This record gives sequence, C-alpha cells and structure tokens, in this order.
Amino acid sequence: DAGVTQSPTHLIKTRGQQVTLRCSPKSGHDTVSWYQQALGQGPQFIFQYYEEEERQRGNFPDRFSGHQYPNYSSELNVNALLLGDSALYLCASSFLEGGQDTQYFGPGTRLTVL
Amino acid sequence: AQSVTQLGSHLSVSEGALVLLRCNYSSSVPPYLFWYVQYPNQGLQLLLKYTTGATLVKGINGFEAEFKKSETSFHLTKPSAHMSDAAEYFCAVRGSGGSNYKLTFGKGTLLTVNP
Repeated sequence: DAGVTQSPTHLIKTRGQQVTLRCSPKSGHDTVSWYQQALGQGPQFIFQYYEEEERQRGNFPDRFSGHQYPNYSSELNVNALLLGDSALYLCASSFLEGGQDTQYFGPGTRLTVL
Repeated sequence: AQSVTQLGSHLSVSEGALVLLRCNYSSSVPPYLFWYVQYPNQGLQLLLKYTTGATLVKGINGFEAEFKKSETSFHLTKPSAHMSDAAEYFCAVRGSGGSNYKLTFGKGTLLTVNP
C-alpha cells in the first residue's frame, strides 16, 4: 500500500516565478492538506481540500492556491515567488470518520527560491 | 484557537537513558493530540495520537504519551533511548468537532542520542 507521494523532490526557482507541487494521497483517503515548513520551524497549515473544494485555509496570501482532482490528488500553486517562500512543502492525506481523522504526511518537496 | 508549546528546542540524552519530550497545548475545545517524528530530509511520521478514551497512549518504537487535561500537557516518553531515536519531534493539536481540520504544530524538539 503506497503512502502519500509528492513530486518533485527538489525544486529551484527564481523570484517572481510560479511553481506547482503535486501530491497523491494514501489509498482510501479523500482529503489533502498542505503545510509549509521553514527551516528550523514546525509545519504551518496552508489549506485543506475535500471534495475538490478548499475546506479550510490558513494565514497565507492569495499567491498560494490549490486544486484537488476527482481522484483526490492535489496540486499546490505558488505565484510571484519570494525568497521567503523557500521551505519544505508537506502534503498530508486523511479520511474523516466519526469526526476524527489522522493526517499522514508525504516526504515533502524542498523549494529553493533564488 | 489552538496552540502548542514544546519546552526545549534541543534535548541530548545518553543511549539507554529516559527520553522525556514536553508538550503543552491550548485549545478552546477538547483536543486531539499528536506526536510526529521527522528524520533528516524526510517528511513527518506519526508516532502516536490521542483522540478520546484512555489517556495513556502507546505508539510505535516504544514511545508513549499521557494526556493530562488538568495540566494541558501531552508529554512524550521512552524508557530507554536508542541511537535510532535521534530525530526532530513535533507535537500537534487539532480541536475536535466543528469545522476546524488543521493541525497546529509546536516548533519541535531535536533529540540527540549519545553513545
């Protein structure tokens, strides 16, 4: 049973460019969350997708957007990249049952903005 | 509103010694609590979780944690450290019920195990 997968593993971009990160959830999961982890910090919640809609959003600017496909996979898009966007981007998948869920994380995509 | 405080950004122990990683939380509703471990250049791996029921929770790799509502704590312990336990540990909280689905993480504690 494959876990959460993310692509690419590493990415280098320059300021002002746009980037798309991809995530495939664990089998049986229908919800995808995205987190940003800056160096030396805990992950920060960006947003969560369920039924192809953004269900909850954290404190991130509109430059961060996402999408979820019918097969539950998801994309994170970041426009007009800033140096401060350099971070590890983590995708987590889950399945809500009885009001409870557990988020399982992928290996992450390391984004470097020069 | 929810938040997590992990006391100590770095903990160094000897192999075979007790590991105690501290986590205090704040939540306006009954919390769900989690501990995750992150090895270098990897994602987060779930160690254990508390949702409801028994307050002493056992996880993988010999770790356990106890939910203490009166102290708003969820400390992680392991009786005897192993070299392979060296990693960063994150405590996270999610408020139960309602429409809040996000995990709020602490800043992490880096565990070093000395031979």
